Amino acid sequence: DAGITQSPRHKVTETGTPVTLRCHQTENHRYMYWYRQDPGHGLRLIHYSYGVKDTDKGEVSDGYSVSRSKTEDFLLTLESATSSQTSVYFCAISEPFPRTDTQYFGPGTRLTVL
Amino acid sequence: KQEVTQIPAALSVPEGENLVLNCSFTDSAIYNLQWFRQDPGKGLTSLLLIQSSQREQTSGRLNASLDKSSGRSTLYIAASQPGDSATYLCAVRPLWGNDMRFGAGTRLTVKP
Repeated sequence: DAGITQSPRHKVTETGTPVTLRCHQTENHRYMYWYRQDPGHGLRLIHYSYGVKDTDKGEVSDGYSVSRSKTEDFLLTLESATSSQTSVYFCAISEPFPRTDTQYFGPGTRLTVL
Repeated sequence: KQEVTQIPAALSVPEGENLVLNCSFTDSAIYNLQWFRQDPGKGLTSLLLIQSSQREQTSGRLNASLDKSSGRSTLYIAASQPGDSATYLCAVRPLWGNDMRFGAGTRLTVKP
């Protein structure tokens, strides 16, 4: 298994509070991604990073921000959590061409916003 | 906007049966297509990745094919086993950009 950890694994928070999720990799892959998975929607990309301090938006970026100050860490922040952000969040990594570009996923963080 | 569809949403088969899972996509301008497996409460595990220039990839009892012009991919599982029970997802990477699009998955149950 690729060396990807996510913390925390479970979190319950209240509407309006800030929340930060962490993804840590030991593979030295250049690309890192944050997805959310919801019933009926599958996985949707929130933000991704293609290098330290280089990030871009995905399909569902509103209400989320990210930061990457080191190759191994990618943080996802919900500035003011809402109930619609209750979801399972997955981090993924990949190394694009000329490597295989296969995406490897972390174990996920289950976030509940009350 | 790329749309990825997987039909059926759920499939139940007896052990030993060969089966095919389907994935269709609306925009043929893809860089690659990847099949994943997801067990309940777990992350996704990559099974096979097919580059846009390839027609198929094989790994053990799994074979994935890609027909880019028709917007279709299939995942063939030979001699299914109860341990194959999981949700299978396909995802396409666009030719330009990194916004991978996922299907909603097919939940497979293999009965002993």
